[in-house]
Formats: sequence, C-alpha cells, structure tokens
Amino acid sequence: DQQVKQNSPSLSVQEGRISILNCDYTNSMFDYFLWYKKYPAEGPTFLISISSIKDKNEDGRFTVFLNKSAKHLSLHIVPSQPGDSAVYFCASQTGANNLFFGTGTRLTVIP
Amino acid sequence: EAQVTQNPRYLITVTGKKLTVTCSQNMNHEYMSWYRQDPGLGLRQIYYSMNVEVTDKGDVPEGYKVSRKEKRNFPLILESPSPNQTSLYFCASSLRLFLTDTQYFGPGTRLTVL
Repeated sequence: DQQVKQNSPSLSVQEGRISILNCDYTNSMFDYFLWYKKYPAEGPTFLISISSIKDKNEDGRFTVFLNKSAKHLSLHIVPSQPGDSAVYFCASQTGANNLFFGTGTRLTVIP
Repeated sequence: EAQVTQNPRYLITVTGKKLTVTCSQNMNHEYMSWYRQDPGLGLRQIYYSMNVEVTDKGDVPEGYKVSRKEKRNFPLILESPSPNQTSLYFCASSLRLFLTDTQYFGPGTRLTVL
C-alpha cells in the first residue's frame, strides 16, 4: 500500500509562472518530508526538506508547505524555469527509519 | 568528488543467469540502500544496510541478495533473475539514517531480463 502518493503524474507550466506539485501521505507518524528531483539518466538529487514541526520551508525559488492535519505537502517553484523540467519525488520518513517515496510527478516548463 | 557509482549502467540478460550490480560510495557513509523504480510505482526499497555486516530487507526484497563486507561497497545480487525484475535500479547512501542526513543516489542501472 502506497504510503506516499503523488496523484498527478505530470504537470506543464509556462516559464516564469508558479509550479505547484502536490503530495499526500497516510502515515501520521511521518515527521520529516523531502523532495527529490530527477533528470533523465541520473539518480534523484535532494532538493528541499521540511520537519513536521514546521509548516513552511523556503530555499530560493523553492518552497515546501506542510499541512499536517490534511496529511498533505506541496512544493512551489517560483518562477519556474526550463531547467526545472524533471521528475519530482516526494518522500517521507519517521525517526531512524527508511524513506518512503511517492510515484513522482513529471514537470515540464515550457519556454 | 563525492559520489555514488554503480556498474553496469545498462544490462540485458536472460532468465536465470546470475548477475551482480555493484555500488560504491566514497563519502564514508554508514547507511546504504537499493531501490527499484518502476512506472506508476515510484521508488521502492529493496534492501538496506546500516553499517558493515548489517543488512535488512526493505519493501520488495524477494529475488535479491546483498552483502556489506566493506563500508564503501554494497553489491546487489540477483541469483536467478526473472523478467519481473526488469527495472531501473538505484543505489543510495547517507552518513547515517538520521532525519537530516541527505541520501545521495547513484546514476542508476537499467536492467532488462529476457
């Protein structure tokens, strides 16, 4: 059973606009959440994370929002750039346990 | 350069022919793991290792073996590959398995079992 879900397999956005990628989770014990970015023929690379004690974390153009009551997190990219085109995975973790990954969302930023 | 390397990057084999995919990291990380990525299923963990000689099953361990004789290496062994093991495989490592320890991924190995 998928504990982390990304219901949108793909998303297209115009360059300069906001990209919003969504992720839902089922395990209320998760206390750390991450986003990874993956280009073709490469492994995933860490992008941004958030602890469950926060509801927002920002790093440059990337902001992650966490809504614990809804078990939902989102990644905002503003402004979107063509180089942001990639597959984005959200992942969740609890304590010293392993990461659970979502199925990924393919973002295409149109120039 | 800090990195996780995997070999081979691409492999086509036949059912039942034993194979090993190597994984090596040069960051002195304690934690290493293997994932497989399949369409619509995301990344699923196969096996992980907390340190030398300490390994444990992930979510989808059937048909796979691992060993951790040295800190830097974590090979994935398919004793008798089957077509349902056709997938994209990633090795990853992190300093430990604490919440703030970033996992670094290798470039992936695309395996096709005929």
